[in-house]
Amino acid sequence: QVQLQESGPGLVKPSGTLSLTCTVSGGSISSSNWWTWVRQPPGKGLEWIAEIHHSGSTNYNPSLKSRVTISVDKSKNQFSLKLSSVTAADTAVYYCAKVNGDHGDQIDYWGQGTLVTVSS
Amino acid sequence: QLVLTQSPSASASLGASVKLTCTLSSGHSSYAIAWHQQQPEKGPRYLMKLNSDGRHTKGAGIPDRFSGSSSGAERYLTISSLQSEDEADYYCQTWGTGVQVFGTGTKVTVL
Repeated sequence: QVQLQESGPGLVKPSGTLSLTCTVSGGSISSSNWWTWVRQPPGKGLEWIAEIHHSGSTNYNPSLKSRVTISVDKSKNQFSLKLSSVTAADTAVYYCAKVNGDHGDQIDYWGQGTLVTVSS
Repeated sequence: QLVLTQSPSASASLGASVKLTCTLSSGHSSYAIAWHQQQPEKGPRYLMKLNSDGRHTKGAGIPDRFSGSSSGAERYLTISSLQSEDEADYYCQTWGTGVQVFGTGTKVTVL
């Protein structure tokens, strides 16, 4: 059973860069799947951020694309998220998740999430 | 544009059934979706993938009380024999070329 665990700073200053890592266990990040980041502002719904395949192919939410970088480290079985020029509107619980299949399909495993607060 | 529409809330009595609806935007009625449950103060949990023909594949450990069905552009999640732990937010999710999309979620209250 695949497990995902987010890690990174819980507090980021405005205009700074949010950096998170997702560690995958119980499966290889080089398997035939995509890996994704989703966020949820307090009291609101889920928002897709970006996804990556182990081959390096990426897709981004157009509304965030200019500020987001997603990357994969196959040697560590991890993938990462960087979000630049953050504001209070980026305060959210950030989830990493596994997307089923080589062509991108449903999300079938979720991490537990990590709260990131943007504040000075 | 690929969009999913959900009603904000639904309620039913303990032991009864509730049917949630997720509607795909025009031109996307053949798309599959997934249903996810988010209990209070917890992360989402994958429930099932639901195809346009009503076939569905559930995640590990998902009780038989959860079932899915489809009609045209509508995708349904039915929860039978409602239990207190079913009180949660339910999100539908779909995917296109290079994009993942979530519905706005339906809050289920167990009376």
